Amino acid sequence: AQTVTQSQPEMSVQEAETVTLSCTYDTSENNYYLFWYKQPPSRQMILVIRQEAYKQQNATENRFSVNFQKAAKSFSLKISDSQLGDTAMYFCAFMKALRLASARQLTFGSGTQLTVLP
Amino acid sequence: GAGVSQSPSNKVTEKGKDVELRCDPISGHTALYWYRQRLGQGLEFLIYFQGNSAPDKSGLPSDRFSAERTGESVSTLTIQRTQQEDSAVYLCASSLEVVGSWADTQYFGPGTRLTVL
Repeated sequence: AQTVTQSQPEMSVQEAETVTLSCTYDTSENNYYLFWYKQPPSRQMILVIRQEAYKQQNATENRFSVNFQKAAKSFSLKISDSQLGDTAMYFCAFMKALRLASARQLTFGSGTQLTVLP
Repeated sequence: GAGVSQSPSNKVTEKGKDVELRCDPISGHTALYWYRQRLGQGLEFLIYFQGNSAPDKSGLPSDRFSAERTGESVSTLTIQRTQQEDSAVYLCASSLEVVGSWADTQYFGPGTRLTVL
């Protein structure tokens, strides 16, 4: 079974500053996907960024980037130039890479509540 | 196009009553997932549909929980004889998943907040 650990229940950052959220995971799979989702108070889970384990290059989406360390099983999220709208709960998630019509459910961490301060 | 929608947005029920939660996936998405999110926690997987079949029901917490899906469209999660521990947000997600392809991204609905008194 897979486990995902987010060791920072809460974090805060000043507007325009940079913040890094940590995530570690445990799996025996060699091929998998990792995701960061954000969940604002509206409850809507929004995909922030996705990383394929077979890619060595770290994924980047505008102000969001990851530091993927496969050997260390670490997948941190860096948010640059933080904005007030980034305030949300952030979840790290794991998915096996399966070619068969099997379940590809996400395994989530417990989340990090990020508050961006004005 | 439209995203994943869920109804009702909020549901308050009395212990022992049955409830039905509905999910409308993104049009054309073959895969549909139900998750449960207890207060202050991450999401727990409940069930997965590929089309209208459910190859993985491993996450359903008890036989009081069941789900069905009509074709590649609407899904209903039913909780019978609700208990207070069933209080949670129930989230649905869908993905465009082609058999034989690699996994695709899941897109979530806004969830249904269930409160059992």
